[in-house]
Amino acid sequence: DGGITQSPKYLFRKEGQNVTLSCEQNLNHDAMYWYRQDPGQGLRLIYYSQIVNDFQKGDIAEGYSVSREKKESFPLTVTSAQKNPTAFYLCASSITRARGTEAFFGQGTRLTVV
Amino acid sequence: AQSVAQPEDQVNVAEGNPLTVKCTYSVSGNPYLFWYVQYPNRGLQFLLKYITGDNLVKGSYGFEAEFNKSQTSFHLKKPSALVSDSALYFCAVRFPNAGNMLTFGGGTRLMVKP
Repeated sequence: DGGITQSPKYLFRKEGQNVTLSCEQNLNHDAMYWYRQDPGQGLRLIYYSQIVNDFQKGDIAEGYSVSREKKESFPLTVTSAQKNPTAFYLCASSITRARGTEAFFGQGTRLTVV
Repeated sequence: AQSVAQPEDQVNVAEGNPLTVKCTYSVSGNPYLFWYVQYPNRGLQFLLKYITGDNLVKGSYGFEAEFNKSQTSFHLKKPSALVSDSALYFCAVRFPNAGNMLTFGGGTRLMVKP
């Protein structure tokens, strides 16, 4: 099946630890995105990538890092610099970054600091 | 400043009644508008979009939305609500001259009661 796969579904992080969230797509989409969702706050853009080996900061990039070494993969690392990482993280992709194209979402990773 | 808003945190409607979930935006230029639905602990599913043309857009699961340029609104509607429509709904906008990023409203929880 074509789609976007995020793993793991649930992730627990200790204070001061870096963790990496996986996002893989087999839709042959050029653009990929990471969003953070907090209760009652909608979705906020962390990073986005239009093409392999290129990515740009979104509205809340501090404490996060990404890479785009392959078209189908866009992993997100939550670093120890992110002071409040507990949230629901959503990865999305679109065929291009053109304005008329809708984004498709993965099922999300729920990250909890313990 | 360009923005998108969903003025209602929650909408309650009885099954079989029509429903409306509101979305307004502020932009200079022509936006591209989208609606998504999210079920608990899941990613977002695309419902419909407005790019150009007919102001009434039909989408998935019997939903439709009306673009009103003078009121800068893009309200989501359905003639007859189902209990299974209960979910979190997001309006999203791609603004011109903003890197074509997809910006989300804060979300509206729709509760359909039997």
